[in-house]
Amino acid sequence: DIQMTQSPSSLSASVGDRVTITCRASQSISAYVNWYQQLPGKAPKVLIYAASTLQSGVPSRFSGSGSGTHFTLTISSLQREDFAMYYCQQTHTIPVTFGGGTKVEIK
Amino acid sequence: QVQSQQWGAGLLKPSETLSLTCGFSGGSFSAHYWSWIRQVPGGGLEWIGEVNHGGVTNYNPSLKGRATISLDTSEKQFSLKLTSMTAADTALYFCARADCTNAVCPFDSWGQGTLVAVSS
Repeated sequence: DIQMTQSPSSLSASVGDRVTITCRASQSISAYVNWYQQLPGKAPKVLIYAASTLQSGVPSRFSGSGSGTHFTLTISSLQREDFAMYYCQQTHTIPVTFGGGTKVEIK
Repeated sequence: QVQSQQWGAGLLKPSETLSLTCGFSGGSFSAHYWSWIRQVPGGGLEWIGEVNHGGVTNYNPSLKGRATISLDTSEKQFSLKLTSMTAADTALYFCARADCTNAVCPFDSWGQGTLVAVSS
């Protein structure tokens, strides 16, 4: 299986901060990475697909980059509604796998 | 606008079989894969498997052959059966659509989740 190692596992930040979350794949997966946000008690919601394409309806403060084995999700100016869990996912190889998640908390 | 709803029994005894169904409306059933994902309480996401419009299935080997996913195109529903349930299978189960009109198949629509508990 392809392992997706996500870091940090949690972070504390303030409204307005720039936040970056990293995901490393155990082998090269081109740009087959998607990023999800999960609010408590809710299903995940796709933010970014194909490593860097913003899903329709998602605010432009979210962006993604990377290819191969190193990927990042950036929130340019954290808003109150962004405090949530974030997961990366690879769809390059079966089984589909997810990173362990990053909890973004209010400082 | 794609909408989904999932249903099935939420409390099982050890060794029983989990049966969940997910219905989608408002979108095409073709050109997509239909997946099941689970999340242990307070934990991460585990992909269980998928089925496509043609009935082709893929499964996570971690389930050791216990999962079966099937599709009913006439009803726009797909189902999960997971046999020999144990306490380790206690989790929140989601259905999701993988939009494979895009090569990377992002999971763009999810069910509301069903909490499944296994206890004697």
